[in-house]
Amino acid sequence: QVTLKESGPVLVKPTETLTLTCTVSGFSLSNSGMGVSWIRQPPGKALEWLAHIFSNDEKSYSTSLKSRLTISKDTSKSQVVLTMTNMDPLDTATYYCARTFRGFDPWGQGTLVTVSS
Amino acid sequence: EIVLTQSPGTLSLSPGERATLSCRASQSVSSSYLAWYQQKPGQAPRLLMYGAFSRASGISDRFSGSGFGTDFTLTISRLEPEDFAVYYCQQYGSSPTFGPGTKVDIK
Repeated sequence: QVTLKESGPVLVKPTETLTLTCTVSGFSLSNSGMGVSWIRQPPGKALEWLAHIFSNDEKSYSTSLKSRLTISKDTSKSQVVLTMTNMDPLDTATYYCARTFRGFDPWGQGTLVTVSS
Repeated sequence: EIVLTQSPGTLSLSPGERATLSCRASQSVSSSYLAWYQQKPGQAPRLLMYGAFSRASGISDRFSGSGFGTDFTLTISRLEPEDFAVYYCQQYGSSPTFGPGTKVDIK
């Protein structure tokens, strides 16, 4: 069974850096063609793709957030890490990770991150 | 960036009725990279369709996808109570984007 689980702080202050970890099980981050994406969803709003990383270490970022995002993976730990710098209250959202292969499937349960002083 | 527009914003229907959801792209999207998701309140999205036409594992055959180029459609043949939710289309090329969603609610 493939599962993904997000972890990280629930509250960050404005200007701080957010670090989120996605721990996967049921598949390997080294499986050819497999990737992991990060997506966020502000309360009551639509989904927004942030970044993805694939087994060959190919990375891609949202154009609007590229300067603030870094994605990396540790295959031995089955983890994908996303960092987002200079957090703002507008970044308050539920952050999801999802396996990326023929669409995004499955998704983690999500983690709500609130940005507030 | 490919912008996706979904219509209608809200679709009010009764159980047993047919639902037709539209997704339009600002530029041509390869059918291989068009997906649909269902999201219920408090839950993560669930993949329904990928490659525009292929149902994801475990998805009822009441769901079907069609379209090509810039116009795609998700059809739910007969709405069941569990189908009332928000539906998002997505193109998952090199820089994925999601549509704003269509809410299917009970009339």
